[in-house]
Amino acid sequence: DAMVIQNPRYQVTQFGKPVTLSCSQTLNHNVMYWYQQKSSQAPKLLFHYYDKDFNNEADTPDNFQSRRPNTSFCFLDIRSPGLGDAAMYLCATSRAGHYNQPQHFGDGTRLSIL
Amino acid sequence: GENVGLHLPTLSVQEGDNSIINCAYSNSASDYFIWYKQESGKGPQFIIDIRSNMDKRQGQRVTVLLNKTVKHLSLQIAATQPGDSAVYFCAESGNTPLVFGKGTRLSVIA
Repeated sequence: DAMVIQNPRYQVTQFGKPVTLSCSQTLNHNVMYWYQQKSSQAPKLLFHYYDKDFNNEADTPDNFQSRRPNTSFCFLDIRSPGLGDAAMYLCATSRAGHYNQPQHFGDGTRLSIL
Repeated sequence: GENVGLHLPTLSVQEGDNSIINCAYSNSASDYFIWYKQESGKGPQFIIDIRSNMDKRQGQRVTVLLNKTVKHLSLQIAATQPGDSAVYFCAESGNTPLVFGKGTRLSVIA
């Protein structure tokens, strides 16, 4: 059974039109992460929530924001998508305590920009 | 910026042979290392991890070796099968969120 669920699997939006990607988890993990992965590249961390504490990576564009209304759900909002934002977006979770432990990934949402 | 035209290193192995995938890491403060397998259209899947107080750890058909002196990590897959074809990423942590390496594409020749 899927434990980190991302919806939708494929998302198409227009240039400049706001889009929201969603992630839910049944693991009851305290930490949730959002990664961007472009073709043939490693996942790149955008930000993560440690419980309700939001941690933004220094080079994450202002265009990207996140919300975590409760333990189970986390959203990635792209305010004005550009062509360069077309990518796979991966959500991951891990238990609280420390970062030195496996992250559990969903199967991603592939975002296309028209 | 984005590396346009970036190609992943590729390792091609014959079915049944052993595979060795290598990874160099840069942060000497990293004390936790992990290998992920990513199949096309899917998220990374945990394979095996190792902490810095160990230099070897074995799982089912997989072994991870850690050489802290030269900051090198390797993943050995025994009796490679077609289902092992995927991109493999190493990642490291020094009690920070995981930092991923560049990845290696493993192609298994039947």
